[in-house]
Amino acid sequence: DAGVTQTPRHEVAEKGQTIILKCEPVSGHNDLFWYRQTKIQGLELLSYFRSKSLMEDGGAFKDRFKAEMLNSSFSTLKIQPTEPKDSAVYLCASSRDWGINYAEQFFGPGTRLTVL
Amino acid sequence: DAKTTQPDSMESTEGETVHLPCSHATISGNEYIYWYRQVPLQGPEYVTHGLQQNTTNSMAFLAIASDRKSSTLILTHVSLRDAAVYHCILRATGGNNKLTFGQGTVLSVIP
Repeated sequence: DAGVTQTPRHEVAEKGQTIILKCEPVSGHNDLFWYRQTKIQGLELLSYFRSKSLMEDGGAFKDRFKAEMLNSSFSTLKIQPTEPKDSAVYLCASSRDWGINYAEQFFGPGTRLTVL
Repeated sequence: DAKTTQPDSMESTEGETVHLPCSHATISGNEYIYWYRQVPLQGPEYVTHGLQQNTTNSMAFLAIASDRKSSTLILTHVSLRDAAVYHCILRATGGNNKLTFGQGTVLSVIP
């Protein structure tokens, strides 16, 4: 089975631009997560979808971050407008059923975003 | 979220067994202990998890203290591929669904 796929692997944007990151979860997985990872803050949850429904929107990230899941096999994360502080690695993860106690999340390779 | 404490770094030699400790003194009864590892330029990789009993799989052995206030991830016959940052994480069942990673332990493996 293919793992979680993320594109692009690297993105460079100017301040104020709109960027869209893409994610394809593992086939058959019902749960999809978007995270942001930095050395200082560690891993921060941006969005969580269960069966395409938004379950958690990451609170502090609601303002300029918007994740969508149009179908069960594809999700996007839009950042609009970008700011230099958004420079980080953005990770997508999926799980067959995260509600089960013994579930695990499978992570993609991440998109490294640099905002100038 | 309950917090975990791990050493910043550890070193091992290929073929040896390494014990990675994790302290979680304020763990709640409904919290599972998860271990993930991450190498540069890749996303985190699931290693193992447990609640009370020791667990084992193809990647590692997880030893959980009887009071659950600490755990140890044991890697046998480590190879260069095991060099990574190892994260010990607590996850409660029910409501809070997110994984919270700290800085983890950087494991270096010497040939």
